[in-house]
Amino acid sequence: GAGVSQSPSNKVTEKGKDVELRCDPISGHTALYWYRQSLGQGLEFLIYFQGNSAPDKSGLPSDRFSAERTGGSVSTLTIQRTQQEDSAVYLCASSANGGTPGELFFGEGSRLTVL
Amino acid sequence: QQQVKQSPQSLIVQKGGIPIINCAYENTAFDYFPWYQQFPGKGPALLIAIRPDVSEKKEGRFTISFNKSAKQFSLHIMDSQPGDSATYFCAASHNTGTASKLTFGTGTRLQVTL
Repeated sequence: GAGVSQSPSNKVTEKGKDVELRCDPISGHTALYWYRQSLGQGLEFLIYFQGNSAPDKSGLPSDRFSAERTGGSVSTLTIQRTQQEDSAVYLCASSANGGTPGELFFGEGSRLTVL
Repeated sequence: QQQVKQSPQSLIVQKGGIPIINCAYENTAFDYFPWYQQFPGKGPALLIAIRPDVSEKKEGRFTISFNKSAKQFSLHIMDSQPGDSATYFCAASHNTGTASKLTFGTGTRLQVTL
């Protein structure tokens, strides 16, 4: 498909376990974003990758959260020692330099449930 | 600190009505204001956007009104249809012309009834 692909679509884990969420952006998009969507909380910015620049990690809520982007394409968001408050939908988006400013293309998200 | 405040949290209108969703921002460096539409189980998608040098923008049945001095902007949906039922997010950014992160409002769940 031509859109942003995320996996898994659903993940149920036990408190204290580590989880990895994957994002495959639209081919050729240089920017990649992770957002978290909790009920009633809107879309919370987590981290932003732009080309080869250092990522903007200003939205990561704690040091249990990390993300990497390999080869300027696929990204993995890792949550260590998960807590119940980490339960949310994690959305990945990508955008293109030179495209419509502010137009982020979102995937369908990975729903994380921490028991 | 929430930089974009959105209201109402939910809204129910009848078919043909004109729902209005309001947003206010604090950061005067913001210079691009998009609206996103999200259907259940899907990611948000860009609906319409405005820059602060214009006071209004229309695309089809969707209109953004922008008040720079008040730091407020709103979305109006003309002749609303049941298919418009979705969650709407306003957003803001301050790096126009390049890819940049968006700050989103908390969303408005709109239901359009028959």
